[in-house]
Amino acid sequence: DAGVIQSPRHEVTEMGQEVTLRCKPISGHDYLFWYRQTMMRGLELLIYFNNNVPIDDSGMPEDRFSAKMPNASFSTLKIQPSEPRDSAVYFCASSPNPAVDTEAFFGQGTRLTVV
Amino acid sequence: GDSVTQMEGPVTLSEEAFLTINCTYTATGYPSLFWYVQYPGEGLQLLLKATKADDKGSNKGFEATYRKETTSFHLEKGSVQVSDSAVYFCALSDRRKGGSEKLVFGKGMKLTVNP
Repeated sequence: DAGVIQSPRHEVTEMGQEVTLRCKPISGHDYLFWYRQTMMRGLELLIYFNNNVPIDDSGMPEDRFSAKMPNASFSTLKIQPSEPRDSAVYFCASSPNPAVDTEAFFGQGTRLTVV
Repeated sequence: GDSVTQMEGPVTLSEEAFLTINCTYTATGYPSLFWYVQYPGEGLQLLLKATKADDKGSNKGFEATYRKETTSFHLEKGSVQVSDSAVYFCALSDRRKGGSEKLVFGKGMKLTVNP
């Protein structure tokens, strides 16, 4: 398996624009997580899904952020409108059934810069 | 809620020095404990884990022992190499029935090893 695949690797956008980040989890993993990493706050969980259903979105900063998982092999994180304070590295991770193994496998991240 | 506290650094060591990174946790259930490593420009990778008290996780010369009595999971390596330069994250997940499947991370500690 190629691992968790995220795209794009880098994104530079102007304030106010819509940004969509994409993630393909490892096949067979039931859980998908979106994290944001910044120097100030470290690694924050934004939202996670189980079998394509959002379970906990309490980490989503505000209504400008939304995430979807239309099927088991694809998820998106959208920011609309984007703001400079959204600049960060966004990671997607997937995991098998936590009752068996809670290790998470991370993608390489998308570095977002909002100017 | 569950939380992880770890040394934040940054820390700079000379090659072959001894490394300890402290990590303590707070959890109401019986968590699994993890150390993840993030190399420059990469996503996080699992370094080692322990799923119950007194378990020792080990990998690539790193070790950590799950200490329930002190709620700690300190990471150690006897002789670091330049290639160990990375950011190290302590994390936990609570697999008790009805608990959250998400990973809770510490803030990470940047290690630089000089030749």
